[in-house]
Amino acid sequence: AQSVTQPDIHITVSEGASLELRCNYSYGATPYLFWYVQSPGQGLQLLLKYFSGDTLVQGIKGFEAEFKRSQSSFNLRKPSVHWSDAAEYFCAVGANYGQNFVFGPGTRLSVLP
Amino acid sequence: NAGVTQTPKFQVLKTGQSMTLQCAQDMNHNSMYWYRQDPGMGLRLIYYSASEGTTDKGEVPNGYNVSRLNKREFSLRLESAAPSQTSVYFCAAQANLQETQYFGPGTRLLVL
Repeated sequence: AQSVTQPDIHITVSEGASLELRCNYSYGATPYLFWYVQSPGQGLQLLLKYFSGDTLVQGIKGFEAEFKRSQSSFNLRKPSVHWSDAAEYFCAVGANYGQNFVFGPGTRLSVLP
Repeated sequence: NAGVTQTPKFQVLKTGQSMTLQCAQDMNHNSMYWYRQDPGMGLRLIYYSASEGTTDKGEVPNGYNVSRLNKREFSLRLESAAPSQTSVYFCAAQANLQETQYFGPGTRLLVL
């Protein structure tokens, strides 16, 4: 079974600063990888996903993530954070069989003006 | 096109009471999921339905039952609610494994 860790529970950055949220996974084969964002009181929205091919994937809202097989990582990045990016971010791993998605515990992002 | 809808939005139950959480999707997606979200634990899969007529247990199925009534609807039932089931419940729908899961707005459940 797959598993996901997000080492940072809470990150605070200043508006305009760069951002990197860490995600590490454990899975025996090539996983399907996702980043979701959740604003307070809302459901989850997909930011980006990786299945195969180019290891640098672009998502919505100016986010990107890089799949590094050697490090079992799928870190999320944004070059310049906006106040509206304050939210909780979840990394998720899907298997290439069955339906058992596993989500990480989430990283809460706060943005200082 | 509403996507994924969930009812109710909020519910308060007493220990031992039963209730059914409803989920419907209008995207004609094959797979549907029920998750619970608790602070510091992310989302945990309760049950899923890969296709109409099939259901399977996820990570935390104890205390829950599900019904995939048709392709559109996937309900979650608590037969005898416990305080440990206080949580936010999310339903999701997915076309296939390589596609995103689309989430409903959630149901906040408090069990006293």
